[in-house]
Amino acid sequence: GQSLEQPSEVTAVEGAIVQMNCTYQTSGFYGLSWYQQHDGGAPTFLSYNALDGLEETGRFSSFLSRSDSYGYLLLQELQMKDSASYFCAVKGSQGNLIFGKGTKLSVKP
Amino acid sequence: KAGVTQTPRYLIKTRGQQVTLSCSPISGHRSVSWYQQTPGQGLQFLFEYFSETQRNKGNFPGRFSGRQFSNSRSEMNVSTLELGDSALYLCASSLRPSGETQYFGPGTRLLVL
Repeated sequence: GQSLEQPSEVTAVEGAIVQMNCTYQTSGFYGLSWYQQHDGGAPTFLSYNALDGLEETGRFSSFLSRSDSYGYLLLQELQMKDSASYFCAVKGSQGNLIFGKGTKLSVKP
Repeated sequence: KAGVTQTPRYLIKTRGQQVTLSCSPISGHRSVSWYQQTPGQGLQFLFEYFSETQRNKGNFPGRFSGRQFSNSRSEMNVSTLELGDSALYLCASSLRPSGETQYFGPGTRLLVL
């Protein structure tokens, strides 16, 4: 079957850098996606990695290592508005997205 | 472009009733997926529709059903509601089937009493 593991909570200070990890187990792999969800809000797409390496979009970077079945989301220059839950997701055998349980990031002043 | 819209935003029902939720995708998107989100189980896939056809279905009982119309709008129905169906129901649209980039609506928060 498919499964994804993420730490449940992370706390960091405003202005710092935080890394949120995701390990996955899947029968076929097509890429790793990341979504952000604020409390009471809808998930919003952040990034997608199909190949190994680092993808950067502004303060957000996402990394993938297919040989290690591992990826991470890196947030730099943390801001209070970055407090949210972050989900990694892979495509399941039927084509649908399977999400991890998410990491709740709390940014402190 | 308008985003994904869902109606209603909030709903309270009692056990045994049925409910229909509606989702309008982003203009031009023909794929609509539905998810159930609960604190304990996280985001769980319900089903996906593309061009009015169900492409795949998650591991939910037959009480959960859906359909898609020719204008890509989608509805999901839950019959014989149970307390455990209380959740946030999210729909997401994408340009192509099983797209890695999905655009989520604000969700319908369903409370079953």
